[in-house]
Amino acid sequence: DTAVSQTPKYLVTQMGNDKSIKCEQNLGHDTMYWYKQDSKKFLKIMFSYNNKELIINETVPNRFSPKSPDKAHLNLHINSLELGDSAVYFCASSPRSGANVLTFGAGSRLTVL
Amino acid sequence: SQQGEEDPQALSIQEGENATMNCSYKTSINNLQWYRQNSGRGLVHLILIRSNEREKHSGRLRVTLDTSKKSSSLLITASRAADTASYFCATDSGGSNYKLTFGKGTLLTVNP
Repeated sequence: DTAVSQTPKYLVTQMGNDKSIKCEQNLGHDTMYWYKQDSKKFLKIMFSYNNKELIINETVPNRFSPKSPDKAHLNLHINSLELGDSAVYFCASSPRSGANVLTFGAGSRLTVL
Repeated sequence: SQQGEEDPQALSIQEGENATMNCSYKTSINNLQWYRQNSGRGLVHLILIRSNEREKHSGRLRVTLDTSKKSSSLLITASRAADTASYFCATDSGGSNYKLTFGKGTLLTVNP
């Protein structure tokens, strides 16, 4: 019974396309996050939402648009994909904003050709 | 901006040996955590140490924190092949805009 699940796990697409990654958590957590891990394994926060409200937008290009229909879901839509968007995207959740421990999903590997 | 820097970037040891990884950070912190990432998987929380704590233990893990030097170390004792993974430290500054800032990680290989 996966706590934080992301789909798809792998995504290969052409430059210029639009794609979405979905994330769902069944932990009852209030806060959800998107992190990007580059080829050197550096992990950087992109967004955080607390109970559907945007808390952090870490200078991410406008082509990235998160959507949180409810506190159990945080989806990531990316428009006009670029080569530099290739990375592994991780969704995570925590009990509340300001709570310490994050539970991560397995990641979604995006490859832009 | 990147907060933590792990050292070494890669570490290779034999089963049964101890592994020590270090993390340095730049700004004041509220808490410091260590996470493990197995190849192709998500990160898993290992241990959290608060800024007013100096040492913490959990099973074979021992974490130290020196806020005056802005550094932490993770010691894994009696390592096993299954400990092979990347290890990341992560810091937070507390507050309402809570976020964890991760270092670059140490790749630990435990040879059987």
